[in-house]
Amino acid sequence: ETGVTQTPRHLVMGMTNKKSLKCEQHLGHNAMYWYKQSAKKPLELMFVYSLEERVENNSVPSRFSPECPNSSHLFLHLHTLQPEDSALYLCASSFRPGHEQYFGPGTRLTVT
Amino acid sequence: GENVEQHPSTLSVQEGDSAVIKCTYSDSASNYFPWYKQELGKRPQLIIDIRSNVGEKKDQRIAVTLNKTAKHFSLHITETQPEDSAVYFCAASYANAGGTSYGKLTFGQGTILTVHP
Repeated sequence: ETGVTQTPRHLVMGMTNKKSLKCEQHLGHNAMYWYKQSAKKPLELMFVYSLEERVENNSVPSRFSPECPNSSHLFLHLHTLQPEDSALYLCASSFRPGHEQYFGPGTRLTVT
Repeated sequence: GENVEQHPSTLSVQEGDSAVIKCTYSDSASNYFPWYKQELGKRPQLIIDIRSNVGEKKDQRIAVTLNKTAKHFSLHITETQPEDSAVYFCAASYANAGGTSYGKLTFGQGTILTVHP
């Protein structure tokens, strides 16, 4: 499946590093999302963008900074992360918020 | 906001048996209810969804039922197979047809389904 792609697929970073996750969708959708999925936890919605405007920020720490330059691309900038931030970060897109979402393969992040 | 509760958290069945996963939601305005399947190490994938204008929808061995009055919906898998083993997530949201009015998709906690051969 290539509708929603994410890079990198795996990332190991130290607590003082700065890195970025990238998501790209080829489905012509107008909404994009970042989710965090930890072991044995439900999908935790982090951010929602609709038509490149952030419409939701679920009390996410400022060490996570999203960027949506256009409706096809979504970034998650990471800095000074904590070990508890280690998780699978999933990107998704949909026609509009509230409609069926298509997920990317995720980035497995490990913070050391 | 919307709250979605999913039960059970784990479900173990023998191959060929049926499996049922139930979800309740709190916002009576929700009108869209998808189900996602996530195999180990893979992305969640939509397997079936239902909108509030129907009470049941089937797709081969899977079906979803919706009770708007009671605010609950269920996933039914018949003749289970080992490849059905995965984590299943329900979700609920509101969206009008044009997408001009909407609420975020809220997920349940997930159910780990194991089908034993």
